[in-house]
Amino acid sequence: GENVEQHPSTLSVQEGDSAVIKCTYSDSASNYFPWYKQELGKRPQLIIDIRSNVGEKKDQRIAVTLNKTAKHFSLHITETQPEDSAVYFCAARMDSSYKLIFGSGTRLLVRP
Amino acid sequence: KAGVTQTPRYLIKTRGQQVTLSCSPISGHRSVSWYQQTPGQGLQFLFEYFSETQRNKGNFPGRFSGRQFSNSRSEMNVSTLELGDSALYLCASRSNSNTEAFFGQGTRLTVV
Repeated sequence: GENVEQHPSTLSVQEGDSAVIKCTYSDSASNYFPWYKQELGKRPQLIIDIRSNVGEKKDQRIAVTLNKTAKHFSLHITETQPEDSAVYFCAARMDSSYKLIFGSGTRLLVRP
Repeated sequence: KAGVTQTPRYLIKTRGQQVTLSCSPISGHRSVSWYQQTPGQGLQFLFEYFSETQRNKGNFPGRFSGRQFSNSRSEMNVSTLELGDSALYLCASRSNSNTEAFFGQGTRLTVV
């Protein structure tokens, strides 16, 4: 069945360091991969997404890479700041479906 | 432009009761999806509606149902509530052509 695995479940980094979160999806028909950030008590908010015809996408300190062959995609945050502390979710979806399959989430803590 | 609005924000119900949650999508968005978020299971897809028709359904029992009205507003209903139904219920909307899903603040349901 459809599944997205996400690692690590928790990540603690020093302010200014980089953080990397990795996801693996099972359905090879998936072609859209968004990343959401959820702060405590708030709604998930899209921070970056990538489609399967692109290998990498960058937006300031955030980048996402996709390896379709291995069915892996990763979120990279550089120069982390305390306000980056949140839970991050990866997800995968097929164009033919609106069903987003989410990873289990990564709790990122950026230590000042 | 107003965001996705969910009501009520908080709800306490007793086992065996039923509950109805409401979601108003962003103006112009015709697709509404519902997700259940729990600490143990993460974000799980419930169902998706587009133009008053259910397009996708997740792996939840028949106690969970939904509908969408002609103005795109959606409701989900849970009957015969169980303790395990306690969760944050999130809805997300998107336009027909835009891939990005925008989430509401959620309704936190507690079943006692």
